[in-house]
Amino acid sequence: AQTVTQSQPEMSVQEAETVTLSCTYDTSESDYYLFWYKQPPSRQMILVIRQEAYKQQNATENRFSVNFQKAAKSFSLKISDSQLGDAAMYFCAYRSINAGNMLTFGGGTRLMVKP
Amino acid sequence: DAGITQSPRHKVTETGTPVTLRCHQTENHRYMYWYRQDPGHGLRLIHYSYGVKDTDKGEVSDGYSVSRSKTEDFLLTLESATSSQTSVYFCAISEYPGGMRNQPQHFGDGTRLSIL
Repeated sequence: AQTVTQSQPEMSVQEAETVTLSCTYDTSESDYYLFWYKQPPSRQMILVIRQEAYKQQNATENRFSVNFQKAAKSFSLKISDSQLGDAAMYFCAYRSINAGNMLTFGGGTRLMVKP
Repeated sequence: DAGITQSPRHKVTETGTPVTLRCHQTENHRYMYWYRQDPGHGLRLIHYSYGVKDTDKGEVSDGYSVSRSKTEDFLLTLESATSSQTSVYFCAISEYPGGMRNQPQHFGDGTRLSIL
């Protein structure tokens, strides 16, 4: 079974600065998908960014980018030019290519943004 | 936003009572999932469905059952609720068309269930 670990329960960043959230995972599979979801206080789960394991190029979505290190099984999220609206819980998730499209989530990192 | 509706949004009930949570989708997606969210654990999969009447267990399925009699509805039942099942429950959906396996799951807004 796969496991996902987010070692930072809480992080804080100054508005307009850059912050990196860490995620590591354990798997014996060679092909899989990785996701970052954002959960604001409204409780919605919002997809931030996705990465296919077979792609070497790191995914980027506007101010959000990832550093995907397949050999190290690491998938960190970088938020540039942090905004107050980025304050939320962030969850890293792993999806096997096998049965069920199921997601395995990390425990989450609470990001606080200071004005 | 994906058309996912969870009902009820909030529920308080007593230990030993049966509880059913409903997830309704308007996207005609094949896969549906039930997760629970607890502090420090992220979201953990309870059960999922890969088609009408096709379901399977997830990581934390004990004490829960599910049913899917129509594509659009996925029900989660706690036959005899316990205090350890107090949690926030999320439904999710995804499509898995050939060649597009990176399609993400889309989530409902969650149901907060308190069992006293």
